[in-house]
Amino acid sequence: QVQLVQSGAEVKKPGSSVKVSCKASGGTFSSYAISWVRQAPGQGLEWMGRIIPILGIANYAQKFQGRVTITADKSTSTAYMELSSLRSEDTAVYYCARVDGGPPFDYWGQGTLVTVSS
Amino acid sequence: DIVMTQTPLSLSVTPGQPASISCKSSQSLLHSDGKTYLYWYLQKPGQPPQLLIYEVSNRFSGVPDRFSGSGSGTDFTLKISRVEAEDVGVYYCMQSIQLPLFTFGPGTKVDIK
Repeated sequence: QVQLVQSGAEVKKPGSSVKVSCKASGGTFSSYAISWVRQAPGQGLEWMGRIIPILGIANYAQKFQGRVTITADKSTSTAYMELSSLRSEDTAVYYCARVDGGPPFDYWGQGTLVTVSS
Repeated sequence: DIVMTQTPLSLSVTPGQPASISCKSSQSLLHSDGKTYLYWYLQKPGQPPQLLIYEVSNRFSGVPDRFSGSGSGTDFTLKISRVEAEDVGVYYCMQSIQLPLFTFGPGTKVDIK
């Protein structure tokens, strides 16, 4: 059974950075692509970027280029999303989700609330 | 970039009645490999989204057969034949023809009358 377990909620100051983790179990981590999707309060879903751990290649939505870094540690089956220069508009629930050769986003993490507030 | 639109943005349905949601893309989602990369997700209150339909009309594992998807090119529809209370939430369409980019529609909120 595939599970994606994310790190806990964070409160950050404007201008700082946050790093959210997503630990996978079940399946073969290296064969996944892990995407990060965020959802601002009361808003829709927004794809931020993805990583293919076996290749170590990350791709990002243009909106987040230069501010987001997605990495993966194959040894611990964990993906990370780091967002820098935080502003209040980055307050959102951040989800990880996988693609494993089939339909995208068949499994999701539980979500991590990041609150940006002074 | 491809823009996804959905109508209506909200829908109130009597249990047992059908419901239909439209999704349109700004470009065709038909790939040269013959597949059409359009998906439907349901986000129930307080939960992450869950995959319902992939490649226009294929129900994902465990999805009840009251859910069906149809369409082609740029116009797609999700239908629920008989809405149940557990179907409340926000429905999103999504495209993945422009890999590695994914784009979601704005969502359609479905509630029960």
